[in-house]
Formats: sequence, C-alpha cells, structure tokens
Amino acid sequence: DSGVTQTPKHLITATGQRVTLRCSPRSGDLSVYWYQQSLDQGLQFLIQYYNGEERAKGNILERFSAQQFPDLHSELNLSSLELGDSALYFCASSVGLTGGVYGYTFGSGTRLTVV
Amino acid sequence: DQQVKQNSPSLSVQEGRISILNCDYTNSMFDYFLWYKKYPAEGPTFLISISSIKDKNEDGRFTVFLNKSAKHLSLHIVPSQPGDSAVYFCAASRGGSNYKLTFGKGTLLTVNP
Repeated sequence: DSGVTQTPKHLITATGQRVTLRCSPRSGDLSVYWYQQSLDQGLQFLIQYYNGEERAKGNILERFSAQQFPDLHSELNLSSLELGDSALYFCASSVGLTGGVYGYTFGSGTRLTVV
Repeated sequence: DQQVKQNSPSLSVQEGRISILNCDYTNSMFDYFLWYKKYPAEGPTFLISISSIKDKNEDGRFTVFLNKSAKHLSLHIVPSQPGDSAVYFCAASRGGSNYKLTFGKGTLLTVNP
C-alpha cells in the first residue's frame, strides 16, 4: 500500500457520459498530480494541485477538470466521454511542489473503459 | 514532442544476467532523473534516482548511469531476477517549483528463469 488511495479501481461507462475519479494523497503530502496512461503511451501529465491551488497543467483536455479540496483529496472530472478516453488514470502525491530526488508516490490507478 | 524517450518497448534476459534499460532525453534543463517500476494492476513505484551532478548512483542490484553530454541514462540490474519482470519507466524533472515529472513510454522487462 503506497498510501495514495484511488477510487474506483475500475469504471465502465458509455460515450457522452461524465465520471469522477477520486484520489486521497499520502498523509502529509500537499501536492497531487494526475497522469493518464493510454495504450502504448507513457504516463501523460494532466494537472497538478498544491494545497488546494492549481499549479501546473499538462495535456489536459477542456472536457476534463480537477480540483483539490481543503482535506487535500482531489477529484478528476471527465465529461462528454469518448472512446479514446479509455485509459488508466493515475494519481500521485508528493510533499512539496516537486518530486525532488524521490519523485512521487503513485496510487494503483483507475481503469476507465468507455463503451 | 517527447522529451524523454525509451526506444526499446521490451527486453528479455535470463535470470542471473545483467539487464540494461536505456533512456534518452532532449531537454538539457532536466536535472533529476528517476526510474520507476510498475507491476500489472499496480501504480508505478520509485526505484532509484540520480542528480545531474553525478554520473552514477548505486542501490543494491540497481545502478543508474548518467551521461549528460549524450543526454542518456541507463539502468543496470545485476543479477536479474524473475521478480524484476515489470515495466520500467524513465522520468526526468527540472529543479525549482512547478516542474512535474516527464515520463518515457516504458520498457517491459522479462526475466526468464
């Protein structure tokens, strides 16, 4: 157990729908990162929050949004889902603004399947 | 624009032999490099890192080598064990705030008994 909790582990939904992925960071970590891993792709950075504020944005689609709540858990909202959104979505956390020498701690991911 | 590249999607080695996983990067501003290991149905886990001020870092059976002039790093696993079979991701970051980890696509290592 890495200490980063992601729910749900699996999600199957239809095109056009909206889903919410949830992440609880490791205790004491203030930064939360969201990554997407599609077939044959590496881990693509989506967005970072630090202590409730958005700090960095990557290749995140406009249909996707995220937030970090006062208790530091984060949610990634995916709307108007398309077949191509099917992927593994990972949440990671770190103490500070960057991973530094030890990088991030990852959760086990949410596998999203859009049918 | 892929700033971190792992050109070998897969690698197969015999148990007890050396595994060498390679990674190239294009951004000369990167100053930390990390390797992550990922088993199926699990998230990536941190394995070893190296700062750009060093050219080698060793941790047990794992050694990472950095060649800054060639913008190349490699992970050596000696001796390889079947439990090392996993996907290995190379990652890089810049110092300072707001710089996230940039990952390669990963290399699937299979260690055969």
